[in-house]
Formats: sequence, C-alpha cells, structure tokens
Amino acid sequence: SQQGEEDPQALSIQEGENATMNCSYKTSINNLQWYRQNSGRGLVHLILIRSNEREKHSGRLRVTLDTSKKSSSLLITASRAADTASYFCATNNNAGNMLTFGGGTRLMVKP
Amino acid sequence: DTEVTQTPKHLVMGMTNKKSLKCEQHMGHRAMYWYKQKAKKPPELMFVYSYEKLSINESVPSRFSPECPNSSLLNLHLHALQPEDSALYLCASSQVAGGTYEQYFGPGTRLTVT
Repeated sequence: SQQGEEDPQALSIQEGENATMNCSYKTSINNLQWYRQNSGRGLVHLILIRSNEREKHSGRLRVTLDTSKKSSSLLITASRAADTASYFCATNNNAGNMLTFGGGTRLMVKP
Repeated sequence: DTEVTQTPKHLVMGMTNKKSLKCEQHMGHRAMYWYKQKAKKPPELMFVYSYEKLSINESVPSRFSPECPNSSLLNLHLHALQPEDSALYLCASSQVAGGTYEQYFGPGTRLTVT
C-alpha cells in the first residue's frame, strides 16, 4: 500500500533553478528516505532522515522533516539537466519491517 | 562493491512459459527484496528475504515464486503469467531487513508478457 503522497506529481524547471518536492505520509514513522530513479532504471538512495531529525543536507540536497505535520520536503539547489529523474519518498513505519514508497515526483530540468 | 546485478535486462515471455529472474549482491547484505513497478508508479513490495528465509509475502499470486539459494542470490521464478504482470521487476538489498537501512537497487528486469 502507498503511504506517502508526493506533490507535485510533475515539475519542469530551467537549469540553475531550485526544485522543491513535498511528501506527506499518514502513520508514525521511524525514518523517511528519498530515492531517485532515472527513466526505467533502478532506484538510487539519496538521503535518510530519522524521526528525531528536522533537517539534513547532502551536497546540493536539503531534506526537512516535520513529524507534527507528517510531511517532508526535498530541495535540490542549482539544478542540472542530469537531475532529470523521478524522485520518491519512502517511509519506514515503527514496526520497522518494510519501506513504503510515495507516488513520486517527475522532475524535468531543461538545459 | 556496492552493486546489485539483475539478469536478464529484458524478458519477453508467453503466458505458458516458465522463466526466472536473477539477482546478485556481494555487499554481505542479509536482506533482499523483490519489487514490481508499473509505468509512472512507485515500486510495490512483493517479497522480503531475511537471512535467506522468506519473511514477507505481500499477497503475491503463486505464479510468482521466490527463491533465495544463498545470502548473495535471489531468484524469482515465473510461470503462467498474465499480460498485466508486464512491468519492471526490481531487486534490492539492505544490511538487514526493514527500513532502518538504505536499500540498494539493481537496474531491474523489464518483463513483457505476451
């Protein structure tokens, strides 16, 4: 079942602009993860943020987590054409036995 | 080596065929997963193996039969599939089962059932 809902479903920006994607979820979580998927390929793990963390950075990526609103955001700064991909959030519930993926945001970065 | 490999990359099979998908990792991970992904949809979990034992079966039809011969290998045996089973099948692994650790994904097998 799909726990996370992502917003927007699709996003088109120019190279150099920032891209922000949002993820909302329904139940209490242990952590939230973001993955990237290039067209028709496997997923690549980007970042994991634990439920007791509020913000995390990795290179041009910034992730925030608001457990009171059950939401997270992924910000990609200074986007590049190579960032074109689908981005999924995935939550791990407190039972800890599996990841549940959100619907994904399809990002297109135009050169 | 942080790679998960999957073979074949593409597979076309008829509804009466029997085929197998293979997945391999050499990261010492003790959990391995099969996901099914339809176009423009998120991956859906099918099976989880933990320490070579099946720990989660997400109500997958019996025409899909997983097998974990050892800690590095994961197979998915396919028999009497339906056209709606056409999808990208992704294998993943993690240190141990569950969502506490990141999962490493293979490139997937694109399956077409005719």
